[in-house]
Order: sequence, then structure tokens, then C-alpha cells
Amino acid sequence: RKEVEQDPGPFNVPEGATVAFNCTYSNSASQSFFWYRQDCRKEPKLLMSVYSSGNEDGRFTAQLNRASQYISLLIRDSKLSDSATYLCVVHTGGGNKLTFGTGTQLKVEL
Amino acid sequence: DADVTQTPRNRITKTGKRIMLECSQTKGHDRMYWYRQDPGLGLRLIYYSFDVKDINKGEISDGYSVSRQAQAKFSLSLESAIPNQTALYFCATSDRTGRIGELFFGEGSRLTVL
Repeated sequence: RKEVEQDPGPFNVPEGATVAFNCTYSNSASQSFFWYRQDCRKEPKLLMSVYSSGNEDGRFTAQLNRASQYISLLIRDSKLSDSATYLCVVHTGGGNKLTFGTGTQLKVEL
Repeated sequence: DADVTQTPRNRITKTGKRIMLECSQTKGHDRMYWYRQDPGLGLRLIYYSFDVKDINKGEISDGYSVSRQAQAKFSLSLESAIPNQTALYFCATSDRTGRIGELFFGEGSRLTVL
């Protein structure tokens, strides 16, 4: 079983739609979780951290369910510019060692 | 200019050749990483370094070596390249006093081994 699993998509949604991605992780001892965004042929960039109580950043909401070992990302009012691959990331070790999921591709269409 | 710079950005080489990918950063971060990205496999950690005298293997270090020449420079070498090392390679940095989980990536080096 992969340490971090995501549905690769693509998720094709119309502009203005709400879309949600889930990610599961296998290590119950994992403490910190993140979502990164990667545009086509570009480097990944941190989108947001995921806190135990859930957190929002504008149109983006991240949630953590420790009991079921999954995290989610909800995007409201999708924009064309949200089209990208969203990487689920888990902090697995000392320092800043991160384990990345394979990503979920989102395509927002007119 | 990018804070994390990788060279070359694209390279095509032949099996058996030695290849070096270089990474330099102006962010002043002490920690540097090399990842490779393959379709369907995501980003995987090759090596990481928490300071100039510290080198650690990641999950897929076989066939690779690294050198931390200075705080700002971290190079990745393929001593004898093979086709399954064809991938997109990313260098990344982080600050030990910074936000957990925040890596700053270079723009990537696309390597093709024929």
C-alpha cells in the first residue's frame, strides 16, 4: 500500500463549481499534512497546511480525519486558474522529510 | 530571478554517461533536497542535506550521489546513467526555523537517458 494515495483524476468541472479531493495516508503516526499545487510542467508550491480542526484560505478548505486517516481539499467557486494538479503531502520524518501523493488533476472549464 | 536555480533545465544523454545536475539557492536556507518525479509515482526523495556536513539518503538513492559544496549549492550526480533514470528532477530547500512542510522548489531539470 502506498504511504499516500490520491485519485489521479482528472476532475473536469465547470467554472463556479465546487469540487473536493480526498487523500488517504497509511502511517497513523503522521503528524502534519499539506496540500501542494503543481501547474503543468512547473514546480510544486505549497497551497496550504491542514490543521486538525480544519482550516480555510479563501475559497479553499482543508480537513483532516485522523480516525479514517484521510485529508480533503474543497475548492468552492472554481476558477479557470485553479486548473492544476493538487498534491497531498504528509510529514513523515525528522526535519522536513515529506511524502508526496501522486496528485489529483483538476481541469476547470468554461 | 528564481530563488532556487537548477541547471541544466533539459538534458538528453546516453546510457552509461556521467551526468551532474546542479542546484543553487539564494534563500539562505540550510536544508536542501533532491526529488525525482515520474508519472504515476509522484515525487520521491533521492537525497537530502540539513547542512554542509550532513548528507542523507532518501527512499531511492541507488544509482545517485550528491555533493553539498556550500550552503547554497547541492549537486546530484548519476555516475552511469540508465534509461529508467529518465525523469523530472527537482531540487528544493527549506529553512530549519521555517514552516514545517514548506519546501521551495526549483523549476526542475528534465533528464532523458537514451
